[in-house]
Amino acid sequence: TQLLEQSPQFLSIQEGENLTVYCNSSSVFSSLQWYRQEPGEGPVLLVTVVTGGEVKKLKRLTFQFGDARKDSSLHITAAQPGDTGLYLCAGDISNFGNEKLTFGTGTRLTIIP
Amino acid sequence: GAVVSQHPSWVICKSGTSVKIECRSLDFQATTMFWYRQFPKQSLMLMATSNEGSKATYEQGVEKDKFLINHASLTLSTLTVTSAHPEDSSFYICKTGSPLDSGHTSYEQYFGPGTRLTVT
Repeated sequence: TQLLEQSPQFLSIQEGENLTVYCNSSSVFSSLQWYRQEPGEGPVLLVTVVTGGEVKKLKRLTFQFGDARKDSSLHITAAQPGDTGLYLCAGDISNFGNEKLTFGTGTRLTIIP
Repeated sequence: GAVVSQHPSWVICKSGTSVKIECRSLDFQATTMFWYRQFPKQSLMLMATSNEGSKATYEQGVEKDKFLINHASLTLSTLTVTSAHPEDSSFYICKTGSPLDSGHTSYEQYFGPGTRLTVT
């Protein structure tokens, strides 16, 4: 059983469109991270959210942590081909810090030029 | 900043042979190393947690006798896939963390670049 479920699993959209990726769990996380991974490489950290209800922006990417700290979303505005990749949310439910990460099921995003 | 390296970056081996993957922290001491496995088009699944000088802790469903983990020093952790089979073909990634606060409630994450294993 995957603790962190992401939706959609696959998404293919045209350049310039907006999209939202969701990360849901029944568990409470002290913090949650979002990563992007390119083929054949390790994941690269995009953002860490810590406070329930927190919203963080990274250029065209907006990340939100749910009020109950069980879910998160990633919204991309005006998607570009460079946004193509595997997006992963990750968290630690141990309450001992986010050293031991459990990754979400992943969302494979393809932006069509 | 800290860098984690993995060797080899890719390896092809025959079924039944063993393969060792090395994960090194290049400029800091990695007390704990996490090993993940990623099958094609899937997410990262935690296999085991290794602490320097002690036995690794394996996640449910991961065979400890098949995936041997050794963390003999603060800069080197190894994962040996014994008697490899084609279903072990995967992308293996190590990760360590450096605490950002004295209470160890938040960590800087350092991922290795991964090792692609293909078993024929």
